[in-house]
Amino acid sequence: AQKVTQAQTEISVVEKEDVTLDCVYETRDTTYYLFWYKQPPSGELVFLIRRNSFDEQNEISGRYSWNFQKSTSSFNFTITASQVVDSAVYFCALILPGPARQLTFGSGTQLTVLP
Amino acid sequence: DSGVTQTPKHLITATGQRVTLRCSPRSGDLSVYWYQQSLDQGLQFLIQYYNGEERAKGNILERFSAQQFPDLHSELNLSSLELGDSALYFCASSVGTSREEFLHEQYFGPGTRLTVT
Repeated sequence: AQKVTQAQTEISVVEKEDVTLDCVYETRDTTYYLFWYKQPPSGELVFLIRRNSFDEQNEISGRYSWNFQKSTSSFNFTITASQVVDSAVYFCALILPGPARQLTFGSGTQLTVLP
Repeated sequence: DSGVTQTPKHLITATGQRVTLRCSPRSGDLSVYWYQQSLDQGLQFLIQYYNGEERAKGNILERFSAQQFPDLHSELNLSSLELGDSALYFCASSVGTSREEFLHEQYFGPGTRLTVT
């Protein structure tokens, strides 16, 4: 069975600091997909990024970057120059291929960015 | 706006009652997923439908059931409600079972917050 672990329950930073959210996953499959979602205080889940298991290239999107390392089964998320609007719960999730595509979520990391 | 709609936004009911949560997927999406988010269990997958048929089941209680209708909207029925069923219930949709990578993306609705008193 697959599992996603987000060991950091809560992180607090001051605005403009960089912050990295850790995600470690477990699966026996060689093909899988990893995701990050953001849940702001308003409650909705917002898709941030998808990465498949064959693509280990890091990705940067504005202030967001993701570091995927299969050797350590990690898919970490870094926010550069954090802003107050980045305050949210961030979830890492995993999908295995097959007819059922349900997301297995980590427990989430509550990020608070202080002004 | 993800394009997935859920009604109602909030629901308050008493123990033992039955409620129905409704979800309309994005236009063109054939798959609908239901997830439950509670303080003690986190975000958990409940059930998936694809084009009207049940595709996968997760940690869904026997008191809960769902269906997907011909117009592809879905309903989640929760019966004999208990205090522990209080949670945020999300619906998500995706295109379906295509092998194309980008089609694995699930779009979430705003959720229905259920409070059982």
